[in-house]
Amino acid sequence: EVQLVQSGAEVKKPGESLRISCKGSGYSFTYYWISWVRQMPGKGLEWMGKSDPTDSYTNYSPSFQGHVTFSTDKSISTAYLQWSSLKASDTAMYYCARVSDGYIDYWGQGTLVTVSS
Amino acid sequence: QSVLTQPPSASGTPGQSITISCSGGSSNIGSTTVNWYQHLPGTAPKLLIYSNNQRPSGVPDRFSGSKSGTSASLAISGLQSEDEADYYCAAWDDSLNGVVFGGGTKLTVL
Repeated sequence: EVQLVQSGAEVKKPGESLRISCKGSGYSFTYYWISWVRQMPGKGLEWMGKSDPTDSYTNYSPSFQGHVTFSTDKSISTAYLQWSSLKASDTAMYYCARVSDGYIDYWGQGTLVTVSS
Repeated sequence: QSVLTQPPSASGTPGQSITISCSGGSSNIGSTTVNWYQHLPGTAPKLLIYSNNQRPSGVPDRFSGSKSGTSASLAISGLQSEDEADYYCAAWDDSLNGVVFGGGTKLTVL
C-alpha cells in the first residue's frame, strides 16, 4: 500500500526556521517525483513545486521560489520542505504528494504549520 | 486567482445528478489530461478521476469525467450525503512545468 506519512503540526514564531518531512513507503521512492501543495485557511490548493528523489532536482512554482527549499534523502525515502525565516502568511496546511505520469496520485495526510507571535 | 476556473459552489439533493465544470487554457487542459480530487475537511485529498475519465480502483462509477478542448467536467450521479466535499480539477501546465489547480467547488448535498 502506497503511503506518504508527514510529520506533525508545528507552531512557530515569525523569523524562525522549520523543516517538515514526508516519508514514503509501499513503492520505490526514487521512481516518482514528490510535490508539495499548500492550502491556506479557507482557500484552495496551490502547487508549490516538485523534487526528484533520484537526483534531488527541484522545480519551484514562481510564487514560492526563493522562500522555501525542497530536499530529499532517498536513503530513508523521505522528502523535506524547509523555511529559513517563517512569516505569518506561511500559516497553512502543507501536503506532500506523489506525482505519477504528470498527475498527483497519492497524498500525505498534511502538516499544519501555524506561525504566530 | 487560480489558473483553472471552477464554480465556487454546487448543490443537489440525494439521488440527483450534478456536473462541475473546469475551464483552462492551451498550456494546461488544452494540451494535457485533467484530473479531479475529492477533499473532505481534515483529510488528505483523494484522486477521483485521472486522465480525463479514468477512475482509480475503488472509486464508484457514479463519478465520471470528460474533457473537450480547454474545458473539463466532473459528473456525479445518484448524489449521496457522503459526497459532500470540496472538488478540485487539476492539470499539468507546460508553461509552469508543474500542476495547476482549480479554485475548488464546494458541493452541498441538501
